[in-house]
Amino acid sequence: GNSVTQMEGPVTLSEEAFLTINCTYTATGYPSLFWYVQYPGEGLQLLLKATKADDKGSNKGFEATYRKETTSFHLEKGSVQVSDSAVYFCAAGSSASKIIFGSGTRLSIRP
Amino acid sequence: EAGVTQFPSHSVIEKGQTVTLRCDPISGHDNLYWYRRVMGKEIKFLLHFVKESKQDESGMPNNRFLAERTGGTYSTLKVQPAELEDSGVYFCASSQDKARGAEKLFFGSGTQLSVL
Repeated sequence: GNSVTQMEGPVTLSEEAFLTINCTYTATGYPSLFWYVQYPGEGLQLLLKATKADDKGSNKGFEATYRKETTSFHLEKGSVQVSDSAVYFCAAGSSASKIIFGSGTRLSIRP
Repeated sequence: EAGVTQFPSHSVIEKGQTVTLRCDPISGHDNLYWYRRVMGKEIKFLLHFVKESKQDESGMPNNRFLAERTGGTYSTLKVQPAELEDSGVYFCASSQDKARGAEKLFFGSGTQLSVL
């Protein structure tokens, strides 16, 4: 069956550090790939997405590239801020009822 | 415009009791979804309403879970009787996207359910 595996947390970094959160997927066909973020006390929000191989999704300084050859969609940011502290979920799928989420990675940024 | 709201934000109950979670979607959104994250693991789909009709309930774990959306507005998810393994965060999401794409979802902040 389809699955999404992402880096286990928690991840703690200092402000302005480089961030990578790894995500790999197994799926039949070519699903759309997503990163969702949940800030404290809020619901999940779509952070970025990519719908086909080699697409790069980007938002708020975050980027992720759809790598078909490695079935990966790693999340990166060049310089994190305290306000980026949140739980990040990688997900694969197209329809809202078939989407598969990873287990989430908690990110904490120290000032 | 109000977002997706869920009540309560936290619920602590004993095994065997009944709990009802509520979700108010964004006004005008026909699609309403329930998901849950158990034991800090992955978020899993439970079911999907289109207006008041259940479109897909393939993710419902067992018959202790009952979801309703009378009148096609808010939805409730009842767990009766609750078991320890039901503990987790229950998310609701809504969308008005006819294609029902995942990228068009608006999520609530979830209900943290603890069954003791």
